[in-house]
Amino acid sequence: DARVTQTPRHKVTEMGQEVTMRCQPILGHNTVFWYRQTMMQGLELLAYFRNRAPLDDSGMPKDRFSAEMPDATLATLKIQPSEPRDSAVYFCASGPGLAGGRINEQFFGPGTRLTVL
Amino acid sequence: GQNIDQPTEMTATEGAIVQINCTYQTSGFNGLFWYQQHAGEAPTFLSYNVLDGLEEKGRFSSFLSRSKGYSYLLLKELQMKDSASYLCAVSPDRDNYGQNFVFGPGTRLSVLP
Repeated sequence: DARVTQTPRHKVTEMGQEVTMRCQPILGHNTVFWYRQTMMQGLELLAYFRNRAPLDDSGMPKDRFSAEMPDATLATLKIQPSEPRDSAVYFCASGPGLAGGRINEQFFGPGTRLTVL
Repeated sequence: GQNIDQPTEMTATEGAIVQINCTYQTSGFNGLFWYQQHAGEAPTFLSYNVLDGLEEKGRFSSFLSRSKGYSYLLLKELQMKDSASYLCAVSPDRDNYGQNFVFGPGTRLSVLP
């Protein structure tokens, strides 16, 4: 049963500390997405990749956030320095993208619940 | 810009039928998706529409009208486990290049006994 995995599942840290979140997409999926979800803003797209190349990171605060895909099995989202307003659930999703003549659904990982004190 | 609207909350009774509406205004359209999200969990895929009309999948159906920028999710024979948030998402890119989604704010459905 193929799934997107994310680590850690929970993270509590202090303001100013670096946070790194990791995601393993489903094998064979060529698109990977990072989302942030809060009660106030809902699900926001932060960045996404196709074939490991970053396509759009306009939803991400550039001064403190960075997203990379060092290889096809790993995507990372880093926050440095972290701030209390970054507290949220961060989801990674992957999908086959355009296949079979249509855009295909995204499969979400379980999320990382981040609390910045 | 991209805009997707959904009602914030809805309440229905077990065994009933409920319709959750979604309206969208996006730069392009390559498909509309419905996701279900239980509290504290990840969104899970429910349905996909790219052509006008109704797609049926068991107790769940989804309808699309591209000319009106409108979709609905119909849930029949409601069960307590259907209490969740329902997210409408549109793939807005004109040329299929980006393949990203824009998500609506979600509709929180409460099913009462």
